[in-house]
Amino acid sequence: DTGVSQDPRHKITKRGQNVTFRCDPISEHNRLYWYRQTLGQGPEFLTYFQNEAQLEKSRLLSDRFSAERPKGSFSTLEIQRTEQGDSAMYLCASSVRTGTEAFFGQGTRLTVV
Amino acid sequence: AQKITQTQPGMFVQEKEAVTLDCTYDTSDQSYGLFWYKQPSSGEMIFLIYQGSYDEQNATEGRYSLNFQKARKSANLVISASQLGDSAMYFCAMMANFGNEKLTFGTGTRLTIIP
Repeated sequence: DTGVSQDPRHKITKRGQNVTFRCDPISEHNRLYWYRQTLGQGPEFLTYFQNEAQLEKSRLLSDRFSAERPKGSFSTLEIQRTEQGDSAMYLCASSVRTGTEAFFGQGTRLTVV
Repeated sequence: AQKITQTQPGMFVQEKEAVTLDCTYDTSDQSYGLFWYKQPSSGEMIFLIYQGSYDEQNATEGRYSLNFQKARKSANLVISASQLGDSAMYFCAMMANFGNEKLTFGTGTRLTIIP
């Protein structure tokens, strides 16, 4: 059991640059979630996939954010034209069905300078 | 809309003592689940325990138990015989069982175990 894997673990980027994060869920999990966590806060929901279909997006996910899960396996989260306010921990989680626990990866910590 | 409230920003507990972390919630959903997660300094969210809204018995997982009082909309986490490794942030969260699949988290409680 390899768990949920996220890459990279840390990313420092200059304001205005684009960044892409990757998440590999647990293999038999068809549900995949992205959350954002800022310092001192709990994670906030960004978006959710069931297989390859993106079923829900938060209002937090502005036009600069896009997420994909092309083959229903791994997912990518891209942020275009990064801003300092995008600095946060980006967490990916997966679950096998609704009403069950979501398993989280170790997150990608983004710092925009 | 769902809301989770954790009113204890930080707690200090002597090793081997029991500790209760408070969580109250607000939702209009009839069917929902309540979760507790632990987040050590490494950043990973570790699932601890789950309680379904229709479960009649309180959930237990080893040293963790969930004191579920539906009428009061509370879902407190009880950790028995605390250990130094329990020092971490603890988050209460909830999810509706139908339609809305997102977890709504509270702001967390930082638990520090004192040797």
